[in-house]
Amino acid sequence: DTAVSQTPKYLVTQMGNDKSIKCEQNLGHDTMYWYKQDSKKFLKIMFSYNNKELIINETVPNRFSPKSPDKAHLNLHINSLELGDSAVYFCASSKANYGYTFGSGTRLTVV
Amino acid sequence: GENVEQHPSTLSVQEGDSAVIKCTYSDSASNYFPWYKQELGKRPQLIIDIRSNVGEKKDQRIAVTLNKTAKHFSLHITETQPEDSAVYFCAASKSRDDKIIFGKGTRLHILP
Repeated sequence: DTAVSQTPKYLVTQMGNDKSIKCEQNLGHDTMYWYKQDSKKFLKIMFSYNNKELIINETVPNRFSPKSPDKAHLNLHINSLELGDSAVYFCASSKANYGYTFGSGTRLTVV
Repeated sequence: GENVEQHPSTLSVQEGDSAVIKCTYSDSASNYFPWYKQELGKRPQLIIDIRSNVGEKKDQRIAVTLNKTAKHFSLHITETQPEDSAVYFCAASKSRDDKIIFGKGTRLHILP
């Protein structure tokens, strides 16, 4: 299936832990993104990569570090997790200036 | 940077009636305006989009209008059905910048 797939779908972890979320797209898109959706459903961009290069880095704590080993993959590593990091994290990909295709989301719960 | 305002935040309409969601944007350089639908527990999905060289676009029961001068755009859903219940997001982006800025969403309830 052509898609944007991200894993895991659910992640429950304790404060202070380090965790990673993985994303892969097989659509041949050049650009990939991470968005955070909070409890009020607001979608806020975190990072954007184009052909493995970071092009957007919004005001996100240094504890969040994206990594793109190739243009089909964009992973998100989070250090020292805090309660406020609880949210749904969506990966997405696109061709330039076209709509996104979103992954199914990762619901992160920090306890 | 770009700012997208969306209203209303919640909208309830009787099944079969029309629903209208309105958005405004701040950056006159924005030229691409997609709309996304997010059902409960699912990913946002692109339902329709419009570019700045077009004033209106229609796809079955869904239509979008764009007023570049006023910097606002709207989503119109006619003959609403129960499956239209979802959160709808408007968004805007510029051709030289791939970043899409989303509005805060409208929760649409279709009443039986």
